[in-house]
Amino acid sequence: GEDVEQSLFLSVREGDSSVINCTYTDSSSTYLYWYKQEPGAGLQLLTYIFSNMDMKQDQRLTVLLNKKDKHLSLRIADTQTGDSAIYFCAETPSYNFNKFYFGSGTKLNVKP
Amino acid sequence: KAGVTQTPRYLIKTRGQQVTLSCSPISGHRSVSWYQQTPGQGLQFLFEYFSETQRNKGNFPGRFSGRQFSNSRSEMNVSTLELGDSALYLCASSLVGRGNTIYFGEGSWLTVV
Repeated sequence: GEDVEQSLFLSVREGDSSVINCTYTDSSSTYLYWYKQEPGAGLQLLTYIFSNMDMKQDQRLTVLLNKKDKHLSLRIADTQTGDSAIYFCAETPSYNFNKFYFGSGTKLNVKP
Repeated sequence: KAGVTQTPRYLIKTRGQQVTLSCSPISGHRSVSWYQQTPGQGLQFLFEYFSETQRNKGNFPGRFSGRQFSNSRSEMNVSTLELGDSALYLCASSLVGRGNTIYFGEGSWLTVV
């Protein structure tokens, strides 16, 4: 199946920017997503980007997509302690957009 | 608009038993998919249903099954439970069409002892 990889941990100080990275192998990916999971909860959709876009900004969130390198990143500006969670990147291939492939998740720890 | 609702939230079962988990999708969503989340394997796709038909299936043994009803509600069943089935089971629903996003429920925590 398709591989989606993320680093496991990221620690930042409150007020700094966080950058969470993701790489994927499927060149036919059409949509790429970022989900957030807080302890004991399900996954919350943060944002998504279509594969023909390079960047998408939504308030404190900026998604950058480098399709050539199959690299996706999520930047969180002015990171707050409430942003501490696990962040999952996911992709859907063009041949089956009803099946999501998730990365292992990056645990973001925001220190006050 | 109500979100995806999963019941029960927490349950403990004994090895060899079977379990049924329920999922009510967001109103108007016709596709329901199920995922298993464990610390070791991460999020793994189980299956996806649309209009009462299983459209996609992940790589899980036949002990894992599901169904969808005419009102789009879905259930998944795990028979002959094993310790390794202990996990968070997440249901997600979506509209159909390209570029649809999936919305997750809070999950059902299953512990097998």
